[in-house]
Amino acid sequence: DGGITQSPKYLFRKEGQNVTLSCEQNLNHDAMYWYRQDPGQGLRLIYYSQIVNDFQKGDIAEGYSVSREKKESFPLTVTSAQKNPTAFYLCASSTRQGGNTEAFFGQGTRLTVV
Amino acid sequence: AQSVTQLGSHVSVSEGALVLLRCNYSSSVPPYLFWYVQYPNQGLQLLLKYTSAATLVKGINGFEAEFKKSETSFHLTKPSAHMSDAAEYFCAVSDRGFGNEKLTFGTGTRLTIIP
Repeated sequence: DGGITQSPKYLFRKEGQNVTLSCEQNLNHDAMYWYRQDPGQGLRLIYYSQIVNDFQKGDIAEGYSVSREKKESFPLTVTSAQKNPTAFYLCASSTRQGGNTEAFFGQGTRLTVV
Repeated sequence: AQSVTQLGSHVSVSEGALVLLRCNYSSSVPPYLFWYVQYPNQGLQLLLKYTSAATLVKGINGFEAEFKKSETSFHLTKPSAHMSDAAEYFCAVSDRGFGNEKLTFGTGTRLTIIP
């Protein structure tokens, strides 16, 4: 079955550590996105990539980094510079075909700083 | 810049009653509009989308939404609520421009169904 796989589902990080969240898709989608979800704030865009080897900052990119070396993969690194990293992180992908888009989401990774 | 406003962070309805979740958008160009549903600790699932065909859009699980340009609204409705509809619902907007598919989300509405 085609879809988006995020791993791990739960992640614990000590303060000062970098952690990387995995996102893989087998939908052959060009575009991929990372969103952060906090209670009462909806989803906020961290980074997005419309093509391999290219990505752009979203609304809250500070303290995060990404790479897009393969079409299928868009890992997100939460660095020690991110002041409040505890949140639910969602990865999504979409096709660019015909400008009629629909984003498909993974099941999310819940990151907790301990 | 695009934005979405969802009125009411929490909505409670009785089982069998009408569900109405409100969404107003702001966009300088005709937008694409979406409703997504999220169950606890899961990702988002698309309920329905408006892409400029019919203004009344039917989605999954008996939900529908009507695009009203004059009111800049895209409210979500369901005639009869079911217990399984309890979840969080997000309205989202994206630009029509090719390559501008990133979504801007509202803050969400948590729907509670009263038995």
